[in-house]
Amino acid sequence: RKEVEQDPGPFNVPEGATVAFNCTYSNSASQSFFWYRQDCRKEPKLLMSVYSSGNEDGRFTAQLNRASQYISLLIRDSKLSDSATYLCVVKGPDMRFGAGTRLTVKP
Amino acid sequence: EPEVTQTPSHQVTQMGQEVILRCVPISNHLYFYWYRQILGQKVEFLVSFYNNEISEKSEIFDDQFSVERPDGSNFTLKIRSTKLEDSAMYFCASTPGRGSNQPQHFGDGTRLSIL
Repeated sequence: RKEVEQDPGPFNVPEGATVAFNCTYSNSASQSFFWYRQDCRKEPKLLMSVYSSGNEDGRFTAQLNRASQYISLLIRDSKLSDSATYLCVVKGPDMRFGAGTRLTVKP
Repeated sequence: EPEVTQTPSHQVTQMGQEVILRCVPISNHLYFYWYRQILGQKVEFLVSFYNNEISEKSEIFDDQFSVERPDGSNFTLKIRSTKLEDSAMYFCASTPGRGSNQPQHFGDGTRLSIL
């Protein structure tokens, strides 16, 4: 089983759509969780940390279910600029990345 | 906003040669990291570094690799006797401390091409 597993997509959605990404992780001792976004041939950039109680940052909502070892990211009212690959990242003790889910938002 | 900077942006090297990739972490950060990303694949952890020594390393980080903080600002990754499969993007990252909830800030990477 992969340490961090994501649906690779691609997800192709129209502007304004709501889209959800899922991620599962295998190490139950993992301590921290993040979503990063990565544009083509660029560095990963932190989108948001993921907290046990769930957290929201504008149009983005992250959820964590430790019992199921499952993390999600919801993007509401998607914009063209949201087009990127979204990386699920699990820390404990080092950072383990998922392979990413590619999102394309179309006009 | 402070940034992690990496040089060069692109390095082309003949197979078998040594290469040094350079990073300047954010100035008040104490923990430093190297990752690699082979084209089309996921980001992979290589090594973490604190207080002038390696904290953790992955199975990828074998004797071919070494890291150093030669002065107060630079953090380097040396790859000896490069192989074709070392071709990848190499990212440096840093954090202020070791707290598990601290996200890492990445430099914009060095593209290493081995010929």
